[in-house]
Amino acid sequence: GQNIDQPTEMTATEGAIVQINCTYQTSGFNGLFWYQQHAGEAPTFLSYNVLDGLEEKGRFSSFLSRSKGYSYLLLKELQMKDSASYLCAVRDQSNSWGKLQFGAGTQVVVTP
Amino acid sequence: DGGITQSPKYLFRKEGQNVTLSCEQNLNHDAMYWYRQDPGQGLRLIYYSQIVNDFQKGDIAEGYSVSREKKESFPLTVTSAQKNPTAFYLCASSIRTGGSNQPQHFGDGTRLSIL
Repeated sequence: GQNIDQPTEMTATEGAIVQINCTYQTSGFNGLFWYQQHAGEAPTFLSYNVLDGLEEKGRFSSFLSRSKGYSYLLLKELQMKDSASYLCAVRDQSNSWGKLQFGAGTQVVVTP
Repeated sequence: DGGITQSPKYLFRKEGQNVTLSCEQNLNHDAMYWYRQDPGQGLRLIYYSQIVNDFQKGDIAEGYSVSREKKESFPLTVTSAQKNPTAFYLCASSIRTGGSNQPQHFGDGTRLSIL
């Protein structure tokens, strides 16, 4: 099975940086995804990591350490529209079709 | 534009009633999924389908049923056996492969409540 842990809520000021951590335990690992979800809306894909290191996409970056079972999503130059829930999801290698296991999400609140 | 369409956006169920949530995709994806989202919890997998005429139970399949008669469509029925159906239901689809970097794409969800 898998356990995925991420903080429940984080608050930051507009223009600042916030780092959302995600730790996981899995019997097999085949990639980690980050999604953004605004309240009552569909999750939208942000980033994918399968090898160790940092992936950068504009204001958003995601880091993975497979040996530590650890990832983080870094949001830079925060904007009010970044207020949302951020979901960490791990793909399990132990099954052939790659089911995703989701964390409970981290609610980010951006204040003026 | 390609995407996933879920309907209705809001749905109310009476006691003892079965209700069906629609999910249609025009992304030409083989795999489709149904998730349930409750406050403070992660998305939990109800059912998934890798190919037409085949589907598998997820982690919380009891009280739900699905069909996959067409590649584009994956309807979910919430039966009267599901005693706590109030939740936000999300449908997703993806390219059918275990090792791909292709993400799952989600519909806008259906919010189901009990009358």
